[in-house]
Amino acid sequence: RKEVEQDPGPFNVPEGATVAFNCTYSNSASQSFFWYRQDCRKEPKLLMSVYSSGNEDGRFTAQLNRASQYISLLIRDSKLSDSATYLCVVTHLYNFNKFYFGSGTKLNVKP
Amino acid sequence: NAGVTQTPKFRILKIGQSMTLQCTQDMNHNYMYWYRQDPGMGLKLIYYSVGAGITDKGEVPNGYNVSRSTTEDFPLRLELAAPSQTSVYFCASRSGENYGYTFGSGTRLTVV
Repeated sequence: RKEVEQDPGPFNVPEGATVAFNCTYSNSASQSFFWYRQDCRKEPKLLMSVYSSGNEDGRFTAQLNRASQYISLLIRDSKLSDSATYLCVVTHLYNFNKFYFGSGTKLNVKP
Repeated sequence: NAGVTQTPKFRILKIGQSMTLQCTQDMNHNYMYWYRQDPGMGLKLIYYSVGAGITDKGEVPNGYNVSRSTTEDFPLRLELAAPSQTSVYFCASRSGENYGYTFGSGTRLTVV
C-alpha cells in the first residue's frame, strides 16, 4: 500500500467554483502534513502546512482527520491561476527526514 | 536571496557517463535533500543530509552518491549513467523538523 494516495484527477472546474481534494495516508504515526503546489515543469512550492485544528489561508482551507487518516484541501472561488498539480505530503514521527509525497491531483480551472 | 540553486537545468548523458548535479542554498539550512520525479509519479528521496559531514540514504540511493562538506552545498553524483536515471532531479532544504521544503528549480536529465 502506498504511504500517501491521491486521486490523480484531473479536476476540471469553472472559474469561481469550489473544489476539494482529499489525500489518505497509511501510517498512523504520521506527524506533519503539507500541501504543495506544482506547476507544469516547475518545482513544488509549499502551499500550506496542515494543522490538527485545521487552518485557512485566504481562499484555501486545509483539514486533518487523524481518525480516518486523511487530509483535505478546499479551494474557494477558483481562479485560472490555481490550475496546477496539488501534492499531499506527510512525514513520520520517528523519521521526520522522510517526506512522503503523493503523486498529485491535477486541477484545471476553465474560464 | 537566491534560496536553493541547482545547476545545470538540463543535461543529456550517454549511457555509462558520469556527472555531478550541483545544489547550493544560502538560507543556512542544516537539512538538505535530493529527490527524483518521474513522469506522473510522486517524488522519491535519493539521499539526505542533516548537516555538514552527515549524509544518509533515502528510498532510491542506488547509482548515486552525495557529499556534504559545507552547510551550503550538497552535490549529487551519478556514476555510470543508465536510462533508468532519466528523470527530473530536485534539491531541497529546510530549516527544521516541522518546516516544509524549499525546492530548487530542478535538473532535467536524459540518459540515452
